[in-house]
Amino acid sequence: AQSVAQPEDQVNVAEGNPLTVKCTYSVSGNPYLFWYVQYPNRGLQFLLKYITGDNLVKGSYGFEAEFNKSQTSFHLKKPSALVSDSALYFCAVRDIEGGATNKLIFGTGTLLAVQP
Amino acid sequence: DTGVSQDPRHKITKRGQNVTFRCDPISEHNRLYWYRQTLGQGPEFLTYFQNEAQLEKSRLLSDRFSAERPKGSFSTLEIQRTEQGDSAMYLCASSLAGTGPYEQYFGPGTRLTVT
Repeated sequence: AQSVAQPEDQVNVAEGNPLTVKCTYSVSGNPYLFWYVQYPNRGLQFLLKYITGDNLVKGSYGFEAEFNKSQTSFHLKKPSALVSDSALYFCAVRDIEGGATNKLIFGTGTLLAVQP
Repeated sequence: DTGVSQDPRHKITKRGQNVTFRCDPISEHNRLYWYRQTLGQGPEFLTYFQNEAQLEKSRLLSDRFSAERPKGSFSTLEIQRTEQGDSAMYLCASSLAGTGPYEQYFGPGTRLTVT
């Protein structure tokens, strides 16, 4: 079965420092991977995706993610964290076993807390 | 582009009552998804429409749940005889159809509390 794992429930980082939010995946075939961010009482906002091509993907708000096939990882990164980046981050993989629905399978989320 | 909208944003109901939620997708998107999110978890897929056709339903979607998208535009999700376990955030998302794995755009969600 396909899945994604976010091993950290929470990541704490000081403002201005680099941040990494980890994600590993398990899929058969080539993965289509996504990162979303959720602010309190809000829906999910799309940040970036990896489909094919360069392993380093750039997205919204200065975020980027590195796809590593050998380690089956897709970690989210930002060179310099802002307090406003504090939110819940979800990694997701497209379900390719369920036909052509493109439905997403989400991880459990990682709460990012950026201290001033 | 006004994004995906959902109504109501919050719903409190008593156990056993029926509730209905509405989702308006981005206008040019013909794919529409419903997900459910409980506290501390990521969203879980419930059902999917392409245009007006409901093409997939999760096993999470019991017989008490029904979804429609009558004209291929807005969608409704109805829960009959609500139970406390139905308390969750119900998220709607839409995307373009085509050959690409297009990203899904989510609405703000409807938070359901069953008392």
